[in-house]
Amino acid sequence: DAGVIQSPRHEVTEMGQEVTLRCKPISGHDYLFWYRQTMMRGLELLIYFNNNVPIDDSGMPEDRFSAKMPNASFSTLKIQPSEPRDSAVYFCASSSGQGAYEQYFGPGTRLTVT
Amino acid sequence: RKEVEQDPGPFNVPEGATVAFNCTYSNSASQSFFWYRQDCRKEPKLLMSVYSSGNEDGRFTAQLNRASQYISLLIRDSKLSDSATYLCVVNADTGRRALTFGSGTRLQVQP
Repeated sequence: DAGVIQSPRHEVTEMGQEVTLRCKPISGHDYLFWYRQTMMRGLELLIYFNNNVPIDDSGMPEDRFSAKMPNASFSTLKIQPSEPRDSAVYFCASSSGQGAYEQYFGPGTRLTVT
Repeated sequence: RKEVEQDPGPFNVPEGATVAFNCTYSNSASQSFFWYRQDCRKEPKLLMSVYSSGNEDGRFTAQLNRASQYISLLIRDSKLSDSATYLCVVNADTGRRALTFGSGTRLQVQP
């Protein structure tokens, strides 16, 4: 079975540029989560969706970050404009939502903003 | 106080050793508990759920102590391939689906 798919795997961009990260959750999973991981702050939840609807975006750092889930099999996380402090690994995870809280992670996108 | 606290380690143990990690959580209403494993430059992967009665999966045993609000992971007969960071994970708010991740305990198994 295909796991969570993320693209790109690596992204290097210059400060001020727009960055779009993509995620395809596991088929049939109702929940999708976006995380950011850095050495200093560990793994932080940014936002999560249930049935394509954003439920909690309290972890989104600021207005430069936005996330969408237009359908059950696709989500994007956009940073505009990007800043060097946004450099991190961004993970997408999904969960079945049927009473189980386990989340399954994609391979991540390693973002470097110069 | 952090919601989930772990000793960052590193724990350096020889092959074949038994090693145990503990983790404490702050919200007594937490209902779901997990251990995840994360290899260097990889994504976190679910190792095992932690049940109230304790549970075992091969060489791995997880225990939950609700009264003291801590979770433990015991690894027996350590293998070189067990070297990784182990993340203690809690559903700290049952009104939300979000999981709270500890900062991880690093294990290095040496030959």
